[in-house]
Amino acid sequence: GQSLEQPSEVTAVEGAIVQINCTYQTSGFYGLSWYQQHDGGAPTFLSYNALDGLEETGRFSSFLSRSDSYGYLLLQELQMKDSASYFCAVGLSGGYQKVTFGTGTKLQVIP
Amino acid sequence: GAGVSQSPSNKVTEKGKDVELRCDPISGHTALYWYRQSLGQGLEFLIYFQGNSAPDKSGLPSDRFSAERTGGSVSTLTIQRTQQEDSAVYLCASSPGRQNYEQYFGPGTRLTVT
Repeated sequence: GQSLEQPSEVTAVEGAIVQINCTYQTSGFYGLSWYQQHDGGAPTFLSYNALDGLEETGRFSSFLSRSDSYGYLLLQELQMKDSASYFCAVGLSGGYQKVTFGTGTKLQVIP
Repeated sequence: GAGVSQSPSNKVTEKGKDVELRCDPISGHTALYWYRQSLGQGLEFLIYFQGNSAPDKSGLPSDRFSAERTGGSVSTLTIQRTQQEDSAVYLCASSPGRQNYEQYFGPGTRLTVT
């Protein structure tokens, strides 16, 4: 089967940098995605990594190491609006026909 | 353009009743997913449709759950003989093709079984 592990909660100060880690165990890894979900809202796509390395999109970056079965989401210049839950998700070989989501990391940004 | 829509937004039902939840994906998206999310939890995969292929039903928790997708567009998730443990938010997502790493989610249906 598949399993993903993320920290359940993270607190960080406005303006700071925070890293949310995700480790996974899957058979037939395809890629790692990250989603943001505000309380009461729907998940929204943030980033995707299929290859090792860092992908940068504005204040958000995502990293993947396939050999370590590990990835992280890096949020820079934190803003209060970044307070949300962040989920990593893995797709298995052959595509994203069946996506497994982590249990999510609740990020609280404090002044 | 219009995003993914779901109806109803909230549904309260009595234990033992059947419910139908509807999802309208983004026009042209061939892939459609259903997930379930309990309070404070992650997303639990339920079922996946891709074009005209047979759906992947491997995430459905019991035979009380079923889903169909008509004309490659609208999908309905049906839960028969609802139980209290079925209470959750049911989320639908669509994606434009086989590289479905970017999914577009609807607002969800909050189901409460009393």
